[in-house]
Amino acid sequence: AQSVTQLGSHVSVSEGALVLLRCNYSSSVPPYLFWYVQYPNQGLQLLLKYTTGATLVKGINGFEAEFKKSETSFHLTKPSAHMSDAAEYFCAVSVRFSGGYNKLIFGAGTRLAVHP
Amino acid sequence: DTAVSQTPKYLVTQMGNDKSIKCEQNLGHDTMYWYKQDSKKFLKIMFSYNNKELIINETVPNRFSPKSPDKAHLNLHINSLELGDSAVYFCASSQDKTGVNTGELFFGEGSRLTVL
Repeated sequence: AQSVTQLGSHVSVSEGALVLLRCNYSSSVPPYLFWYVQYPNQGLQLLLKYTTGATLVKGINGFEAEFKKSETSFHLTKPSAHMSDAAEYFCAVSVRFSGGYNKLIFGAGTRLAVHP
Repeated sequence: DTAVSQTPKYLVTQMGNDKSIKCEQNLGHDTMYWYKQDSKKFLKIMFSYNNKELIINETVPNRFSPKSPDKAHLNLHINSLELGDSAVYFCASSQDKTGVNTGELFFGEGSRLTVL
């Protein structure tokens, strides 16, 4: 069964430092992978997605992620953290089921804290 | 112009009561979802409808009953509320299966339910 594991429920970085949020997936077929961000008391917003093609995917707010099939990973990075990046980040894999429908399975989330 | 809107945003009620949450999307999507986010931020799919047809019904108590009057609306009714129902409930939508359906979701702002 498809699943997503996010390593580290809390990550803390200094402003200007590299952000690295880890995500590993399990899928029996080529996956569609997503990163979503949730700011306090808000809904989830798509950061970026991998469907097909280039394995390095760029998203909003300077984030990017690389799909590595050999490592079953889709880690999220940003070269320089801003205070405004403090939020909860969710990795997700799309699961296809009968009828041609998809559903997203989410990881447990990683809370990113950014310190001055 | 809000794409996926939910009402109410906050709901505080007593155990045993019945309550409803409403969701509307103006994206022209055919598929809508309810997700539950618990106090640890874990997101779990509950239901999904495609063009008013129930396509996903996860293991959810039958006190929870979704209803989709048309493809732009998906409501959630909860009977005999319990303390464990306290959570944030998110509505989401995605484009229909006849398109390039990657499973990407567009989320509402969430409805925070507190059962006392």
